[in-house]
Amino acid sequence: GQNIDQPTEMTATEGAIVQINCTYQTSGFNGLFWYQQHAGEAPTFLSYNVLDGLEEKGRFSSFLSRSKGYSYLLLKELQMKDSASYLCAVRVGNTPLVFGKGTRLSVIA
Amino acid sequence: KAGVTQTPRYLIKTRGQQVTLSCSPISGHRSVSWYQQTPGQGLQFLFEYFSETQRNKGNFPGRFSGRQFSNSRSEMNVSTLELGDSALYLCASSADLDTEAFFGQGTRLTVV
Repeated sequence: GQNIDQPTEMTATEGAIVQINCTYQTSGFNGLFWYQQHAGEAPTFLSYNVLDGLEEKGRFSSFLSRSKGYSYLLLKELQMKDSASYLCAVRVGNTPLVFGKGTRLSVIA
Repeated sequence: KAGVTQTPRYLIKTRGQQVTLSCSPISGHRSVSWYQQTPGQGLQFLFEYFSETQRNKGNFPGRFSGRQFSNSRSEMNVSTLELGDSALYLCASSADLDTEAFFGQGTRLTVV
């Protein structure tokens, strides 16, 4: 089976940088996704990594190391609206995404 | 273009009843996946349909079933509801499994 771990909760200050880690143990790895989910809303796509390295998209960046089974999502210049749950999901072979339990991020003033 | 539409948004049912949830994917998307989201377990995969065929299935009891129609709309059915079935049911559509998945707003099911 697959095992995906990420911290349950994190708190960071407005304007700061926060890194949310995700580790996974799977066979047949075929890509890692990050989603953002505000309370009561649908998850929305943030990033996709299939090769090792850093993908940057505005204030958000995502990193992947396949050999270590490790990814992180980096959020810069934090804003209050970034308070949300961040979901790490792995694709194994040709199957739908397997999600971690999510990291609830609270941004404080 | 319109996003993923799920109906109804909220539902209250009694133990033992059955329920049907609907999902209309983004136009042109043929893959529809269903997930159950609860506070303790996160998103858990139920099943995935592609061109009217169930391609993948998660580890849920047979009380959970689904289908997809020729227009790619999908329904999931839960029979003999249990209190533990209370959850947010999310539908995700994608052109295929190797592309980004877009989620609907979900159906919040409460079983009393």
